[in-house]
Amino acid sequence: GAVVSQHPSRVICKSGTSVKIECRSLDFQATTMFWYRQFPKQSLMLMATSNEGSKATYEQGVEKDKFLINHASLTLSTLTVTSAHPEDSSFYICSARWVGQGHGYTFGSGTRLTVV
Amino acid sequence: AQTVTQSQPEMSVQEAETVTLSCTYDTSENNYYLFWYKQPPSRQMILVIRQEAYKQQNATENRFSVNFQKAAKSFSLKISDSQLGDTAMYFCAFRGPYNDYKLSFGAGTTVTVRA
Repeated sequence: GAVVSQHPSRVICKSGTSVKIECRSLDFQATTMFWYRQFPKQSLMLMATSNEGSKATYEQGVEKDKFLINHASLTLSTLTVTSAHPEDSSFYICSARWVGQGHGYTFGSGTRLTVV
Repeated sequence: AQTVTQSQPEMSVQEAETVTLSCTYDTSENNYYLFWYKQPPSRQMILVIRQEAYKQQNATENRFSVNFQKAAKSFSLKISDSQLGDTAMYFCAFRGPYNDYKLSFGAGTTVTVRA
């Protein structure tokens, strides 16, 4: 149980275009979704927290106009990288908090974004 | 954000042997949660073990166990009988008693299990 499906797993886009990453909770309702960015061999950096039906809360230094987060339903959260540039190339991971047997966090499998 | 420190960037262990990963954290809270996550080369984050601060008993999950020292703010992970599949990056994470439920991650320790 408590599976988050993240798509796409890899995407290559041209500089200046936008890319959307989706995370779906398959067997539970994800009221809170976290979006992370990870550089090679580094830790996860929290970008923003999204709650279903409300605006996302962004961490300091994260451009909210560049990284648009939508959490319109209890099972779907999306991250759109707008006007992508090569420096946005990274590994993006979503994570949902679940309350079940105990409680915890489940992670998507990640999206490798390459901007050329 | 809470500070979580993993002071060992890399560790190497022979198959079947034991390795211990260190983690310290900084908090003034009394109730909180600690986690160890594993990230293998696939980069899928996998929960290894979880500890609630109000529980004095150290958590164990098969070959994985923790040494939770609340006063010292230390939360080390011991991997016993290491297997090749344990090769991964391991992250220590902290969650406070806050309603935002954010996790603070350490920098990670890369563990390589040698055959």
